Amino acid sequence: DAGVIQSPRHEVTEMGQEVTLRCKPISGHDYLFWYRQTMMRGLELLIYFNNNVPIDDSGMPEDRFSAKMPNASFSTLKIQPSEPRDSAVYFCASSLGGSPTTDTQYFGPGTRLTVL
Amino acid sequence: GQQVMQIPQYQHVQEGEDFTTYCNSSTTLSNIQWYKQRPGGHPVFLIQLVKSGEVKKQKRLTFQFGEAKKNSSLHITATQTTDVGTYFCAANTGFQKLVFGTGTRLLVSP
Repeated sequence: DAGVIQSPRHEVTEMGQEVTLRCKPISGHDYLFWYRQTMMRGLELLIYFNNNVPIDDSGMPEDRFSAKMPNASFSTLKIQPSEPRDSAVYFCASSLGGSPTTDTQYFGPGTRLTVL
Repeated sequence: GQQVMQIPQYQHVQEGEDFTTYCNSSTTLSNIQWYKQRPGGHPVFLIQLVKSGEVKKQKRLTFQFGEAKKNSSLHITATQTTDVGTYFCAANTGFQKLVFGTGTRLLVSP
C-alpha cells in the first residue's frame, strides 16, 4: 500500500500568490483530514471530509482557505492569496470510515509551505 | 475551543532513563489516541484507549487512561535513541473530531 500521498513536498511562494496542495488518500478510506502544523499552534485540524463531503470546516482560518474533494481519491487545499503567516507544514490524513474519532488516522508526509 | 494540554513540553534524558508524558483535559473524553512524530516526519498512530482506568503496553511503552477519563499518560521504560521524537495525545472532546495535544518533545542522549 502506497500510503497517503501528498504533493508537492515543499513549496516556496511569494505573498499574494495562489497555493494548491494535493492529497491522495489510502484507497478504501472514507475519511480525509487536512491539518496544519506550526511551532506556535501545534497540530490543528482545518477540515475533514466523509465520503467526499465536507463535514467540519470550523478549523479553516479564513476565507482565503478552501478545500475540495471531487472524488474518493483526490483532495486539494487552496490558499488564495497566500500570506507569510500561512507558512507551516500541511498534513493530509485518511482513515477507514467507522468514525472520525476512533479510527486510526494515517498521515501523509506533509507539504512544507514557505510564503515569502 | 477545546484544549488538550500535555506536559512537559520538552524533556531531555540520558539513554536508559525513563520518560513520562501526561495529557490532561478539562472535559471527559470518550477515547484517547497517542501518536509519535519523528523529527522531520509525520505523526504515526501508536495506540487507542477507551475504557476508564485502561492500561495497555507495547514493549517498553505503557499507556494509561485515567479513572475519570480526563487524563492519560505514556511512560517509556529505559529510553533508547530510537525513542526520539514528539509524542502527541489526541482526544475526542465530544465534537466528533480529534483534538491533538500540544505534544511532548523527547530528546535522548546516548
